[in-house]
Amino acid sequence: AQSVSQHNHHVILSEAASLELGCNYSYGGTVNLFWYVQYPGQHLQLLLKYFSGDPLVKGIKGFEAEFIKSKFSFNLRKPSVQWSDTAEYFCAVVSGGYNKLIFGAGTRLAVHP
Amino acid sequence: DVKVTQSSRYLVKRTGEKVFLECVQDMDHENMFWYRQDPGLGLRLIYFSYDVKMKEKGDIPEGYSVSREKKERFSLILESASTNQTSMYLCASRNTPNQPQHFGDGTRLSIL
Repeated sequence: AQSVSQHNHHVILSEAASLELGCNYSYGGTVNLFWYVQYPGQHLQLLLKYFSGDPLVKGIKGFEAEFIKSKFSFNLRKPSVQWSDTAEYFCAVVSGGYNKLIFGAGTRLAVHP
Repeated sequence: DVKVTQSSRYLVKRTGEKVFLECVQDMDHENMFWYRQDPGLGLRLIYFSYDVKMKEKGDIPEGYSVSREKKERFSLILESASTNQTSMYLCASRNTPNQPQHFGDGTRLSIL
């Protein structure tokens, strides 16, 4: 079955540092990939998605992700984080006949001023 | 903007009780989902529904059931609550399989 691995469970950064969160999925072929973010006390919201086309996807709030098919990866990046980026980030892949979403375990990001 | 509303933000129930969690979406979405979110485990799919009166088991359906009598409403039922069902429950909806899911604020359920 399809699975999603997020390598970092907790990340602590200072403001203005660069961010890269790892995400790998297990099955190849055609994939639809997502990054969701959950700010403290808020609902999950879509950060960005990849369905096809340009493998470098730009999302909201300056985030981007790169789909590398050969590495089964979809890493999330931001050149300069802000305190307001403190949140939990989830990578997800569509899988199965019903196009279910399979989520990774999440990465908690804390940004210190 | 899509609105997914979960009836309770916090809920405390006792072991053995029958518990109902309600979810309503206002965008006429076909697909609705129930997840539970636990630290270190991410979101795990409990049940989903692709249409009215239709339901499919997700990855962890044991101890749960669902009801979808109307398109906008998807209910999660804990038949006999147990302490290991203490968790954050998230409802989501989407229009088609190629569209992202929209999530509610979640219900933090504690079973004592």
